Amino acid sequence: GAVVSQHPSWVICKSGTSVKIECRSLDFQATTMFWYRQFPKQSLMLMATSNEGSKATYEQGVEKDKFLINHASLTLSTLTVTSAHPEDSSFYICSARVPDRGSYEQYFGPGTRLTVT
Amino acid sequence: GQNIDQPTEMTATEGAIVQINCTYQTSGFNGLFWYQQHAGEAPTFLSYNVLDGLEEKGRFSSFLSRSKGYSYLLLKELQMKDSASYLCAVQDSNYQLIWGAGTKLIIKP
Repeated sequence: GAVVSQHPSWVICKSGTSVKIECRSLDFQATTMFWYRQFPKQSLMLMATSNEGSKATYEQGVEKDKFLINHASLTLSTLTVTSAHPEDSSFYICSARVPDRGSYEQYFGPGTRLTVT
Repeated sequence: GQNIDQPTEMTATEGAIVQINCTYQTSGFNGLFWYQQHAGEAPTFLSYNVLDGLEEKGRFSSFLSRSKGYSYLLLKELQMKDSASYLCAVQDSNYQLIWGAGTKLIIKP
């Protein structure tokens, strides 16, 4: 149990276009999902916390108008990178907490590698 | 401020034992996680410690001392597939995960 999927697994887009990444909890309902970004040889950087039915909470320095997060249902959160630029190229990973688990463990999706040309 | 420290890189020999240390200073503590991440992949859960002591799970063990702000991950009978980055993460008072930079473990035959 506790499987998280992401789609697409990789995407190449042109500078100035927008890209949507989907994160789904497949066998549980996730009231809270997290979006991370990871640059090569660096650790995970939390971008935002996504709560079902409410606005996402963004970390300091993350532009909410550029990285649009929508958590429309208990099993789906989406991250849209708007007007993408080459510096947005990165590995984007979502995770979800499994409810009713005292450890608040996060289960990660497989990640989406974004390349902006 | 919040800080997680772990070595950048370690090298060990196949079949041996390696200990990866993690020290932390966070605002509150609600558990410490260890994750394994292979290159180009997402992290996978290894262990969770919230009470002092040692948690053993097969070849992997994790230790926590809350008074010292210290944890270690112990890997026994190392295999080549254990070559990966190992991430230490502390859950703070708001249940947010504070991540270390990761330790790249290189296993040599």
